[in-house]
Amino acid sequence: AQSVTQLGSHVSVSEGALVLLRCNYSSSVPPYLFWYVQYPNQGLQLLLKYTSAATLVKGINDFEAEFKKSETSFHLTKPSAHMSDAAEYFCAVSTSGGYQKVTFGTGTKLQVIP
Amino acid sequence: DGGITQSPKYLFRKEGQNVTLSCEQNLNHDAMYWYRQDPGQGLRLIYYSQIVNDFQKGDIAEGYSVSREKKESFPLTVTSAQKNPTAFYLCASRLGNTGELFFGEGSRLTVL
Repeated sequence: AQSVTQLGSHVSVSEGALVLLRCNYSSSVPPYLFWYVQYPNQGLQLLLKYTSAATLVKGINDFEAEFKKSETSFHLTKPSAHMSDAAEYFCAVSTSGGYQKVTFGTGTKLQVIP
Repeated sequence: DGGITQSPKYLFRKEGQNVTLSCEQNLNHDAMYWYRQDPGQGLRLIYYSQIVNDFQKGDIAEGYSVSREKKESFPLTVTSAQKNPTAFYLCASRLGNTGELFFGEGSRLTVL
């Protein structure tokens, strides 16, 4: 079984401040990990993914995440928040082989304060 | 452009009626997924399909049905057996074997 826990359903940061969104996963086999972003009434868009290559993954719009196996974490960061970053962010996990179920966390809404 | 098309974007139905949500993709992906999204609960998996004529129940399949007769199409029927069908429904297809998903714009179903 696999699962994802996102700590903090709402996060507020000032414009220009560091963004840190937390994600911990549980998986019995090596996972693939993802961060998606969702704007209101839209589908999800991929920000970045970890697929067992480099542990530090860079994505779009200066977002990055680091896979830490010892901590079972995949936290999302961005050095400087922009107003356009205000959205909901989802962490997801899947595994290779068989029926590939993709499991999502409950999401974190990011508010950027001017 | 390649992508996932969901229709309708907004749908209203009366209690006791079945409704079918359309999902079409032209990405040539084998696997497709249906998720339900409710505020504060993230995305919950309803059904997924690895290949044509094959599909598996997800975590909340009760009250829903699907078919996969063509690679491009994965329609979801919300039946009258679904006790609380008002939600935002998302369809996705999967690229390769890593689990990366491509999403449609969603369909918002409201039961009156």
